[in-house]
Amino acid sequence: QAVVTQEPSLTVSPGGTVTLTCGSSTGVVTSGHYPYWFQQKPGQAPRTLIYDTSNKHSWTPARFSGSLLGGKAALTLSGAQPEDEAEYYCLLSYSGARVFGGGTKLTVL
Amino acid sequence: QVQLVQSGAEVKKPGASVKVSCKASGYTFTGYYMHWVRQAPGQGLEWMGRINPNSGGTNYAQKFQDRVTMTRDTSISTAYMELSRLRSDDTAVYYCARFDVDSYDMDVWGQGTTVTVSS
Repeated sequence: QAVVTQEPSLTVSPGGTVTLTCGSSTGVVTSGHYPYWFQQKPGQAPRTLIYDTSNKHSWTPARFSGSLLGGKAALTLSGAQPEDEAEYYCLLSYSGARVFGGGTKLTVL
Repeated sequence: QVQLVQSGAEVKKPGASVKVSCKASGYTFTGYYMHWVRQAPGQGLEWMGRINPNSGGTNYAQKFQDRVTMTRDTSISTAYMELSRLRSDDTAVYYCARFDVDSYDMDVWGQGTTVTVSS
């Protein structure tokens, strides 16, 4: 089974910009992996921010964007807010299977 | 509104089985796949598998292949995930999530069901 890798933790200043990445042990992440990004706050269920690389939901703040960058999937947060402090998980698709990354704990400080 | 409501918390002994339900409302149940994800205490998310409620077809993560069974009852718009031969490391919150095969969107999640495995 593939292993999906994320930065364990990142810190961003309020108003700053940060990029979270999602890599695959099988090689380059492409649109064919249909990358997802989920946000999870303590005690809550995950919430889908981005699906199919870059698509947003109505509830996804405009400051979040998804892309492919340097062979990985990426989630960029531009203009971080205190409420963005959370755990972020990516999910990649491998034919019929899905694999989550280990998550990135984002601190806004 | 679209909603997934899961069954309540369970406490099980090692070796037992648990069956978690996920009742869908506000949309056509057979039009969307259902994925199951779990999260052990203090750990990350783990994908377990998915079911096509229309056909009943399933795909399971290799790790759970021999212990998990996903089913559905279309008459009551409910999906089920049964995990057998429980161990202490199966203690986790189990989530269902709706998946749109056309848009590849996984947009709605259940509230989670806590399963505790303890002797």
